[in-house]
Amino acid sequence: GENVEQHPSTLSVQEGDSAVIKCTYSDSASNYFPWYKQELGKGPQLIIDIRSNVGEKKDQRIAVTLNKTAKHFSLHITETQPEDSAVYFCAASRSYNTDKLIFGTGTRLQVFP
Amino acid sequence: GAVVSQHPSWVICKSGTSVKIECRSLDFQATTMFWYRQFPKQSLMLMATSNEGSKATYEQGVEKDKFLINHASLTLSTLTVTSAHPEDSSFYICSAYRGGNTEAFFGQGTRLTVV
Repeated sequence: GENVEQHPSTLSVQEGDSAVIKCTYSDSASNYFPWYKQELGKGPQLIIDIRSNVGEKKDQRIAVTLNKTAKHFSLHITETQPEDSAVYFCAASRSYNTDKLIFGTGTRLQVFP
Repeated sequence: GAVVSQHPSWVICKSGTSVKIECRSLDFQATTMFWYRQFPKQSLMLMATSNEGSKATYEQGVEKDKFLINHASLTLSTLTVTSAHPEDSSFYICSAYRGGNTEAFFGQGTRLTVV
């Protein structure tokens, strides 16, 4: 089955700096790659996603890149703010609107003022 | 936007008792819902896929007789933890697809503590 690895497990940055989180997946049939932000005691919230027919997607300070050949995708957060502090999860799925999601191990991001 | 709601948000139960957790899609119909379990500082692990009107599909290693899933309507799936033990204490999260060109929506989670 699908296996998703995520690095780093923790990441500390100064406010205003950029943060990059990387994931690799094993199932070549995966074609949907969302990123979630989870705050303490809450369910995950989708922040951005990418499908396999594109290599990069950007939404304001957040961007995601996908390399299907290498089976890895990355989350980029620019101009980080303290409120970006949370746990971030990548995930992979064979279908964006029907199939189960397999989650990465998570990255705890801390943004210091 | 679409909302998925779980109830209760937290529950404490005694060891040996059963606990039911509800997952509702508030403004859409969901033929498929997913149940995840998350231990502290760990990732979300898929437990089962809940299909309306049919049996749930459990992931390897998940005991179907212990974690009973019922998806009796297009807006409600329930997870019952039977004969709960302290090791079942965890954060349980459901998600649902609305269908069409939309992503999965997650509930706010249910914190189960078995004492």
